[in-house]
Amino acid sequence: NAGVTQTPKFRILKIGQSMTLQCTQDMNHNYMYWYRQDPGMGLKLIYYSVGAGITDKGEVPNGYNVSRSTTEDFPLRLELAAPSQTSVYFCASSYVVPGNEQFFGPGTRLTVL
Amino acid sequence: RKEVEQDPGPFNVPEGATVAFNCTYSNSASQSFFWYRQDCRKEPKLLMSVYSSGNEDGRFTAQLNRASQYISLLIRDSKLSDSATYLCVVNRGDSNYQLIWGAGTKLIIKP
Repeated sequence: NAGVTQTPKFRILKIGQSMTLQCTQDMNHNYMYWYRQDPGMGLKLIYYSVGAGITDKGEVPNGYNVSRSTTEDFPLRLELAAPSQTSVYFCASSYVVPGNEQFFGPGTRLTVL
Repeated sequence: RKEVEQDPGPFNVPEGATVAFNCTYSNSASQSFFWYRQDCRKEPKLLMSVYSSGNEDGRFTAQLNRASQYISLLIRDSKLSDSATYLCVVNRGDSNYQLIWGAGTKLIIKP
């Protein structure tokens, strides 16, 4: 099992550009999450999904969109990138509710200049 | 007040020593508590869940104090490989799906 994979690992965007961060898990987990982590801060939940076709906003959803067409994939879309979106983005998955362990991908380091 | 608060450290501790971290949380309705470990520039990984009765996993012991709304992590006989940032995580009281993450406590074990 590869677990949770994310691409790309690094990306530099110009202000106003758009991109999609890819996330795939092969553990057949129902629940998937996108977080961002800024330096010296805790992880902030952007969006989450409890199953294919179902997504919901987390704590900091503005400027982002998600879709969940399959159990495996949970891409995060950034539209009109802004410097405030410079961060490390982590995708995670879990089998049931967050009472169970969340498994994380290696992260995407995004810089918006 | 932050929802989950941790002393950022760093805690500089000699190898073999015992070290303890505390974490306070603000929502009394929270039911799930965890300690995650994050190595530099890596993803977080679950260290242990924290149960009401307290729990131990090898050199690691976690305790929960609901009355005072804090959880603790004790590391005995610390190893160089324990150097990392330890993240305190609590579920949002009104949501099983959303976790609130502390900013972490950095631990440096010195030989």
